[in-house]
Amino acid sequence: NAGVTQTPKFQVLKTGQSMTLQCAQDMNHNSMYWYRQDPGMGLRLIYYSASEGTTDKGEVPNGYNVSRLNKREFSLRLESAAPSQTSVYFCARSASLHNEQFFGPGTRLTVL
Amino acid sequence: RKEVEQDPGPFNVPEGATVAFNCTYSNSASQSFFWYRQDCRKEPKLLMSVYSSGNEDGRFTAQLNRASQYISLLIRDSKLSDSATYLCVVTSPRGNMLTFGGGTRLMVKP
Repeated sequence: NAGVTQTPKFQVLKTGQSMTLQCAQDMNHNSMYWYRQDPGMGLRLIYYSASEGTTDKGEVPNGYNVSRLNKREFSLRLESAAPSQTSVYFCARSASLHNEQFFGPGTRLTVL
Repeated sequence: RKEVEQDPGPFNVPEGATVAFNCTYSNSASQSFFWYRQDCRKEPKLLMSVYSSGNEDGRFTAQLNRASQYISLLIRDSKLSDSATYLCVVTSPRGNMLTFGGGTRLMVKP
């Protein structure tokens, strides 16, 4: 794998439920990212963390929050899930913001 | 206009063929460029970075044309295993975000 693990692999939620997607990397990289991928839309950046202790909004942050718990872990939280958040979520790592990114296997989320 | 545009395909080619994909980007100040490969229901995987002078990795050649703002990927001697979606990726001028194209689907047939 690319040194990025994501849990869970699959999740089904009801509208209004909350959940946290977990991501961890074992490469000691500074930067971590959360993307969503929808059919016909490509990958879109939700939030990113340039380094431990910092987080910034990406292209589509509404409805999400993130926590960079430490250098290794970056979690994505949905406080009140909506059907529009049905998607595949990918976490990624990179040595720095300018470097290539390496992706985890993804979490497939369905919100009913 | 989308920031990164690709022909979605599919490109259907026989084994052994040479195939080329182009990708155009809108922001002339973009700094870094990559090609990723994505198999069905899998995560994107880095195929190669794209350097100003062009670069080659085995059967794959990537080129960057800053004046015309496009990136190309050439695959020689196509294999069945090359069947995938190829994503063109461009960093923002600040280098803090990657923008992905929608991908070009390649299908290599026996």
